[in-house]
Amino acid sequence: NAGVTQTPKFQVLKTGQSMTLQCAQDMNHNSMYWYRQDPGMGLRLIYYSASEGTTDKGEVPNGYNVSRLNKREFSLRLESAAPSQTSVYFCASSDGAPSTDTQYFGPGTRLTVL
Amino acid sequence: QKEVEQNSGPLSVPEGAIASLNCTYSDRVSQSFFWYRQYSGKSPELIMSIYSNGDKEDGRFTAQLNKASQYVSLLIRDSQPSDSATYLCAVNYAGYSTLTFGKGTMLLVSP
Repeated sequence: NAGVTQTPKFQVLKTGQSMTLQCAQDMNHNSMYWYRQDPGMGLRLIYYSASEGTTDKGEVPNGYNVSRLNKREFSLRLESAAPSQTSVYFCASSDGAPSTDTQYFGPGTRLTVL
Repeated sequence: QKEVEQNSGPLSVPEGAIASLNCTYSDRVSQSFFWYRQYSGKSPELIMSIYSNGDKEDGRFTAQLNKASQYVSLLIRDSQPSDSATYLCAVNYAGYSTLTFGKGTMLLVSP
């Protein structure tokens, strides 16, 4: 099993460009999450999906959109990238509620916006 | 407001010593608590979870939870250089379906 996979691993964008970060999991998990991690800021939740067909905002959703394409895939879209969105983005999944279930993280996407 | 506080460190300990990492949170009715380890340039991975007051041991790791004082700690016995990483504390606050992460504490274990 590959676990949680993310593409691309690295990306450089210019301000105003758009892109989609892809995430897939092969563990048949119900819940999926997108986080960003900035130096000194820890992990901050952008969006999450508790089940196929549902999505909810996290702590820092502005400037992002998400799509839960099916149970396996959860994508994050930047419509008009800004330098403030330079960060490392992690996708994660868990079988059920985060109150009891382990979140498994993908390897991350390192995004730079110039 | 949901907050999870950790000392950013670095916490430096010699090989073989006990490393003690602490985390405080802001809501007494929080339900569950997790410690994740993150090596530099890598993604977080779960080390321990704890749900009730007291100690929980797993190999060289012990998680301690004190809900009355609103803190959770992680002890690493016989620290090894391979334990050098950033340790993230995460809390599930009651009524929320997500985790809140602290900013992490960097641990450095010197040979």
